[in-house]
Amino acid sequence: AQKITQTQPGMFVQEKEAVTLDCTYDTSDQSYGLFWYKQPSSGEMIFLIYQGSYDEQNATEGRYSLNFQKARKSANLVISASQLGDSAMYFCAMREGDTGRRALTFGSGTRLQVQP
Amino acid sequence: EAQVTQNPRYLITVTGKKLTVTCSQNMNHEYMSWYRQDPGLGLRQIYYSMNVEVTDKGDVPEGYKVSRKEKRNFPLILESPSPNQTSLYFCASSLSPGGYNSPLHFGNGTRLTVT
Repeated sequence: AQKITQTQPGMFVQEKEAVTLDCTYDTSDQSYGLFWYKQPSSGEMIFLIYQGSYDEQNATEGRYSLNFQKARKSANLVISASQLGDSAMYFCAMREGDTGRRALTFGSGTRLQVQP
Repeated sequence: EAQVTQNPRYLITVTGKKLTVTCSQNMNHEYMSWYRQDPGLGLRQIYYSMNVEVTDKGDVPEGYKVSRKEKRNFPLILESPSPNQTSLYFCASSLSPGGYNSPLHFGNGTRLTVT
């Protein structure tokens, strides 16, 4: 089974509007971290926001917030007031606490296009 | 500036010619790792290191070697590159080796083409 599922291959949003990128995850670990990364067309991978499995509050970082619903195993990224520079691929990822490798498991990504 | 530095950014080589992609981080991070990114396959872990002199295989280690002689450096070595190793490679590091809550910080990537 996929550990991280991103069901939206592509999304469009108008500049200055908010957009939600979906992410669901699957793990049997009690301890895990959920991350969102941005990959612009230039290729680098930029860390945006983190949510821990024990965190009761949703994480926020500037215009980014994470809508964490533990019972539903979802960790959606909300970008408020979209800007043209937000056009990029966005990856949801998970790091599980009970495995030794501490690898990040990535979803397939969502390509966001912000339109003027 | 805190960062992970990979070099080179772009590399074109021929089958069988040994190459090394360097990776260095200036954040005193314990954990370092290499990933490759391929269309349709996403990002996959190649090797990782919990600390100096401690390295282990990830999901796709075949054809690669790594070493961790110093905390800051984690080079990726392709002894005999083949065309199926054409990919975008990322080095990444995080503060805590055991920390599921520690974000991985990525280098800018190395785009490798093997002809």
